[in-house]
Amino acid sequence: DTGVSQDPRHKITKRGQNVTFRCDPISEHNRLYWYRQTLGQGPEFLTYFQNEAQLEKSRLLSDRFSAERPKGSFSTLEIQRTEQGDSAMYLCASSGPGPEVATNEKLFFGSGTQLSVL
Amino acid sequence: DQQVKQNSPSLSVQEGRISILNCDYTNSMFDYFLWYKKYPAEGPTFLISISSIKDKNEDGRFTVFLNKSAKHLSLHIVPSQPGDSAVYFCAASAQYGGSQGNLIFGKGTKLSVKP
Repeated sequence: DTGVSQDPRHKITKRGQNVTFRCDPISEHNRLYWYRQTLGQGPEFLTYFQNEAQLEKSRLLSDRFSAERPKGSFSTLEIQRTEQGDSAMYLCASSGPGPEVATNEKLFFGSGTQLSVL
Repeated sequence: DQQVKQNSPSLSVQEGRISILNCDYTNSMFDYFLWYKKYPAEGPTFLISISSIKDKNEDGRFTVFLNKSAKHLSLHIVPSQPGDSAVYFCAASAQYGGSQGNLIFGKGTKLSVKP
């Protein structure tokens, strides 16, 4: 399977715990994105990487959230001190290759990690 | 404030008929528009896109129309099939004056195609 892979598919945690999600993008893609989707809403942008550089972060990404892409391949998204409001589907997407975002760039999404904070 | 709006949460059509899903946007800097399809428990799958320099793009049963003056686009599915039943998201991006690669999504329209 050469699509975007996310792990785990589901995560249930207690409020106050830390959680970490992993995303493996399509191998030839150099851009990686994290989105969050809550019930009844469309995906909302959180952050994106060009290779290992984190180029943009949404105001939705509070101080409790941190994302890394240390070698420009897979990425991790960590949420510290989880809150019930963090319950959502966390989607990873990738695009590229190319040194810049193309006008007609399409994002390819993984199946997401469904987080439930009790 | 929502920059991409899908005002119909749901749509039901008969198999074989046309499905028309609508999307409005407010940001005039948007220059690329995409439709994604999403099944339950899966991530969104790219369906079709259109650049702002065009007013129509066709791919098999799927056609997207763009009316820049009205800031409106629509997705036509003809003929509709039961396998098309899913949530459809309209998304937009701006190469200039906005976040590159950052897609802004609508809330989605749930399409149900009845056999």
